Amino acid sequence: KNEVEQSPQNLTAQEGEFITINCSYSVGISALHWLQQHPGGGIVSLFMLSSGKKKHGRLIATINIQEKHSSLHITASHPRDSAVYICAVSKGGGADGLTFGKGTHLIIQP
Amino acid sequence: KAGVTQTPRYLIKTRGQQVTLSCSPISGHRSVSWYQQTPGQGLQFLFEYFSETQRNKGNFPGRFSGRQFSNSRSEMNVSTLELGDSALYLCASSFTPGGGEQFFGPGTRLTVL
Repeated sequence: KNEVEQSPQNLTAQEGEFITINCSYSVGISALHWLQQHPGGGIVSLFMLSSGKKKHGRLIATINIQEKHSSLHITASHPRDSAVYICAVSKGGGADGLTFGKGTHLIIQP
Repeated sequence: KAGVTQTPRYLIKTRGQQVTLSCSPISGHRSVSWYQQTPGQGLQFLFEYFSETQRNKGNFPGRFSGRQFSNSRSEMNVSTLELGDSALYLCASSFTPGGGEQFFGPGTRLTVL
């Protein structure tokens, strides 16, 4: 079983819809990261969080440490949000670099 | 501030050859991590360097190695290339080691024929 699980694997939605991507992990962590990868490979760090909630523009990330679960929300989705969203964790003690989920492929149709 | 740069961006090699990839971190960042991304395995951690020392290493064979220079630039080397080494190799820099906020480079796409 993977240490970081994401759902759904694929998501297609209409422009304007509210999007939720989920991430569950099974190891102790020092932080959880949400990353965005566009076609061509470039990866951008969206959030790094260890508790609570963070908001940046139309993006919101939450984490529940007790339940080992995080969600990434996109409000008023737009076709430019189409990308692969990847959840990753930094394990406790800073060991082993980042451990990644398989990613969620999001397509927003106009 | 300039972002993370990686060279070369694309590389084609044949089995058995070796390859060296380069990564220049954001100015002031002393931690550089390397990752391999393949369609089958996704993103996997290779190793992390901080202040010229390897801090952590992922589960990869010894054919994969790296180093970091005093200016924080890093190189990774893969010897005796195999077809399965075809992948996107990404480096990321951060101000603090051990999984802090990471800034990724554009990657080097390696194809092994």
